[in-house]
Amino acid sequence: EVQLVQSGGGLVQPGRSLRISCAASGFTFSDYEMNWVRQAPGKGLEWVSYISSKSTTRYYADSVKGRFTISRDNADSSLYLQMNSLRVEDTGIYYCAREVYDSSGSHFAHWGQGSLVTVSS
Amino acid sequence: QPVLTQPPSASGTPGQRVTISCSGSNSNIGSNIVNWYQQLPGTAPKVLIYSNDQRPSGVPNRFSGSSSGTSASLAISGLQSDDEADYYCAAWDDSLNGYVFGTGTKVTVL
Repeated sequence: EVQLVQSGGGLVQPGRSLRISCAASGFTFSDYEMNWVRQAPGKGLEWVSYISSKSTTRYYADSVKGRFTISRDNADSSLYLQMNSLRVEDTGIYYCAREVYDSSGSHFAHWGQGSLVTVSS
Repeated sequence: QPVLTQPPSASGTPGQRVTISCSGSNSNIGSNIVNWYQQLPGTAPKVLIYSNDQRPSGVPNRFSGSSSGTSASLAISGLQSDDEADYYCAAWDDSLNGYVFGTGTKVTVL
């Protein structure tokens, strides 16, 4: 069974840093691209970042570019999001998501349970 | 900011058919497949429709998707009370080099 178990959320002051993690099991982690998606309180979904299976390609939403860094450890089957210079508007639930490809394109087939990040003074 | 536009709400009585639209542009829906995600209250999203019109195993055939030009739609037939949820379309955007989600539609069963 595919499982994505997240950890590392919490309360942090504006301008500070936080790292959240996503531990994968039930599949060969190194074969799959991974993403982070977030959701501000009472708002819709916002894609945050993508990383290829071997970490050769990374993409970021403009709203986090230069402040957030996505990374992975395939030996440990773990995905990370390092968030620096946090802003109040970064508050929300962060989900990790496994991307699955078919002949037409890709979709987020499995999601973590979410990590709540609250940025407040 | 979301670049895919959906109606904020949709509703119907049990058994009715509800359709949700998703409007984009040439750089996203016009060039790439559309996926739909269902988010039940207090839970993580789950994929409902992928590659425009494909259902993952376990998703009832009451749910169907289509895409044409720069728009896509999700239809729910035989509406049931446990279909009450938020629904989001999503697609890759070639101009932004990233995924874009729709604004989301809250479905209410009257």
